[in-house]
Amino acid sequence: SQQGEEDPQALSIQEGENATMNCSYKTSINNLQWYRQNSGRGLVHLILIRSNEREKHSGRLRVTLDTSKKSSSLLITASRAADTASYFCATDGIGGGSNYQLIWGAGTKLIIKP
Amino acid sequence: GAGVSQTPSNKVTEKGKYVELRCDPISGHTALYWYRQSLGQGPEFLIYFQGTGAADDSGLPNDRFFAVRPEGSVSTLKIQRTERGDSAVYLCASSFRHSTDTQYFGPGTRLTVL
Repeated sequence: SQQGEEDPQALSIQEGENATMNCSYKTSINNLQWYRQNSGRGLVHLILIRSNEREKHSGRLRVTLDTSKKSSSLLITASRAADTASYFCATDGIGGGSNYQLIWGAGTKLIIKP
Repeated sequence: GAGVSQTPSNKVTEKGKYVELRCDPISGHTALYWYRQSLGQGPEFLIYFQGTGAADDSGLPNDRFFAVRPEGSVSTLKIQRTERGDSAVYLCASSFRHSTDTQYFGPGTRLTVL
């Protein structure tokens, strides 16, 4: 079953602009992770935010987590063509019956136009 | 090794045949996961190993699917009597020890059942 829902499903922006993607989930979580997947390649871990954290930064990435709204956002600043990929959020949850299954959304497809 | 590796990268088989997919996790990682990803979807959890034992196989869709990890390192996902609906990318991931550690993914095996 899929717990996370990314929004939007697809996003196309100009290089240099900021990109924001959102993720909503259903059950309580231990942590939430964001991954990137380039076409035809494996998933690359970007950032993990724990349930007691509200914001986390890594380079050009900024992730926020609002556990009261069961939502997270991923902001990519100063986007580059190489950021073109699908972005997924994944949660491992308390409420899902196990805390080691990563449960994934369907992803946001991000296209950066040169 | 430097990362998680999976073989083969592509597998085409006929309906009814048996296939084995192999995953070689990062050296020293005790946790190993199998996921399945269909086109346009996020990964779907199949099974989680802690060491040699399957800690959770609740994601395996039916008894045609089986996975082993006899020495706590390499894992093999086995699919009997393949069906066209089994066509997907099968992803393997490993993490250092705990389920809450970051999962590192292999490039996947694209299985096509004709």
